[in-house]
Amino acid sequence: AQRVTQPEKLLSVFKGAPVELKCNYSYSGSPELFWYVQYSRQRLQLLLRHISRESIKGFTADLNKGETSFHLKKPFAQEEDSAMYYCALIGGAQKLVFGQGTRLTINP
Amino acid sequence: DAGITQSPRYKITETGRQVTLMCHQTWSHSYMFWYRQDLGHGLRLIYYSAAADITDKGEVPDGYVVSRSKTENFPLTLESATRSQTSVYFCASSDRASTGELFFGEGSRLTVL
Repeated sequence: AQRVTQPEKLLSVFKGAPVELKCNYSYSGSPELFWYVQYSRQRLQLLLRHISRESIKGFTADLNKGETSFHLKKPFAQEEDSAMYYCALIGGAQKLVFGQGTRLTINP
Repeated sequence: DAGITQSPRYKITETGRQVTLMCHQTWSHSYMFWYRQDLGHGLRLIYYSAAADITDKGEVPDGYVVSRSKTENFPLTLESATRSQTSVYFCASSDRASTGELFFGEGSRLTVL
């Protein structure tokens, strides 16, 4: 079975501090992992996918198959990063499975 | 405007009533999905559709019915609403499910009294 776990429901950091949103997954095959973001009053949207190895808005995420993790990181948080973040996985069933979400608040 | 739209955006109903949430997309995407968003549970897949007339259950399908007679529409019906179905419902579409990039609607907030 596919499962995504985000252990932190809430995360609060100060502007300029590093941010790490944790994501762990359970899947027996080779997963594809994604981070989605929902800013206030905006639609849920794709932030980045592991296969692209890209940095979006200063965020990066590395797939660690040994630890079955896909943590989202940013070295210096900005106030506009405040949002709800969801980690998601596509496995064999071709359906996107989401984690519980982490609400990130950046304090000025 | 092109995109994916949901209606109604807000709905209050009573236990036992039938409710239909509409979803319309203008991209001709093959795949469409319905998720519900609840605190502590994140987004859970209710039903999805790979093409017109093809639908399949997701993680939490009980109490819901879907249809897909046209590619652009994917209505979700609660046949007899219960309080536990109070939630925010999101419709999404994708041209290929395996890309992982879903395009979401704005959501429909449903309250069942």
